[in-house]
Amino acid sequence: AQSVTQPDIHITVSEGASLELRCNYSYGATPYLFWYVQSPGQGLQLLLKYFSGDTLVQGIKGFEAEFKRSQSSFNLRKPSVHWSDAAEYFCAVGGHPNDYKLSFGAGTTVTVRA
Amino acid sequence: GAGVSQSPSNKVTEKGKDVELRCDPISGHTALYWYRQSLGQGLEFLIYFQGNSAPDKSGLPSDRFSAERTGGSVSTLTIQRTQQEDSAVYLCASSFEGGSSYNEQFFGPGTRLTVL
Repeated sequence: AQSVTQPDIHITVSEGASLELRCNYSYGATPYLFWYVQSPGQGLQLLLKYFSGDTLVQGIKGFEAEFKRSQSSFNLRKPSVHWSDAAEYFCAVGGHPNDYKLSFGAGTTVTVRA
Repeated sequence: GAGVSQSPSNKVTEKGKDVELRCDPISGHTALYWYRQSLGQGLEFLIYFQGNSAPDKSGLPSDRFSAERTGGSVSTLTIQRTQQEDSAVYLCASSFEGGSSYNEQFFGPGTRLTVL
């Protein structure tokens, strides 16, 4: 069965500093991988996704993620954090090619301090 | 265009009561999903509708939970005889096509259910 682990429950980062959120997945085949962001009172918004090809994927809001098959990881990064990046971030894995169910990690809450 | 909408945004109910949660997907989206987000947990898949196919109910936690989708559009998730452990945020998502997580799922803002 597929699963996702986000080891960090909460991260605090200073505005302008870099951010990295960890995600490890378990899946028996080539996974589809996603990062979503959830701001308070909002639904989840897709930041980026990986299906195949280049292992470094670019997303919206200046985020990027790198797929490392050997480490079963899909870590999310941003070089310089803005106060508006304070939110909860979810990593998810989907099946391939006909499994429509997404399995989500428990999420990482990011706090941005001035 | 309009995104996925859900109502109510908040629902407080007493243990043992029935509740109905509504989801309006993006117009033209054929696939609809329900997820549950419990405190400190990730999202848990509940049910999936695709067109006129039989829904995938494999994620429903008990027979107190049911869902329907009328006319291939609006969906209602019903929880009968609510229990305190049903307290969670219930999220609905839709995608243009179903059958694969390749198709981006667009999420609504959720309904926060509190069972007293």
